[in-house]
Amino acid sequence: QSVLTQPPSVSAAPGQKVTLSCSGSSSNIGDHYVSWYQQLPGTAPKLLIYDNNKRPSGIPDRFSGSKSGTSATLGITGLQTGDEADYYCGTWDSSLSTPVFGGGTQLTVL
Amino acid sequence: EVQLVESGGGLVQPGGSLRLSCAASGFSFNNYAMSWVRQAPGKGLEWVSGISSGGGSTYYADSVKGRFTISRDNSKNTLYLHMNSLRADDTAVYYCAKHVLVLIRGSDYWGQGTLVTVSS
Repeated sequence: QSVLTQPPSVSAAPGQKVTLSCSGSSSNIGDHYVSWYQQLPGTAPKLLIYDNNKRPSGIPDRFSGSKSGTSATLGITGLQTGDEADYYCGTWDSSLSTPVFGGGTQLTVL
Repeated sequence: EVQLVESGGGLVQPGGSLRLSCAASGFSFNNYAMSWVRQAPGKGLEWVSGISSGGGSTYYADSVKGRFTISRDNSKNTLYLHMNSLRADDTAVYYCAKHVLVLIRGSDYWGQGTLVTVSS
């Protein structure tokens, strides 16, 4: 059971917009920065968003992040088949004094 | 270009030991916190252990506490994970990850991973 809760799967059509949710508590999302990672099949995770809403260089602005209270959201616009991947949220947990991840959301673009 | 290259994975019997290494290049290794994150077959990401930039502070997931030891050699730009008393549920791909400065922030670079299989 992951500390952060993500829906196991989400699907959307090419060109559409999708939002992926990540729910936590006051000891993690509520008090710390959230990051989002994309993991394409058979590859290592890749940072998409850090510090709640910042994109590393090279990440297109189709990807956006936001946080409100104890929940965070990853938005993806203009969906492409190449966006099919697993997406994970992550943050620090003050109670555990460790980083924590969500269980991941598998995005299908159909 | 930032590069993280893990090595040391392989097949080990239950109860055995293994040492993973992560060779870093392309950034000032001694300025950044580092972590090990693992992924069991078909499962999600699990943070395993982290270490501060200078090595003075270490952190562990409850699942590995007392069995695994993280360390770093800043003179060699290398991160290590010493794993003892290995169990079948430690079987996973182990990734080395660089943090955005400190542990409480995300990981901006990841290695390609090294597979650890614990089986008799």
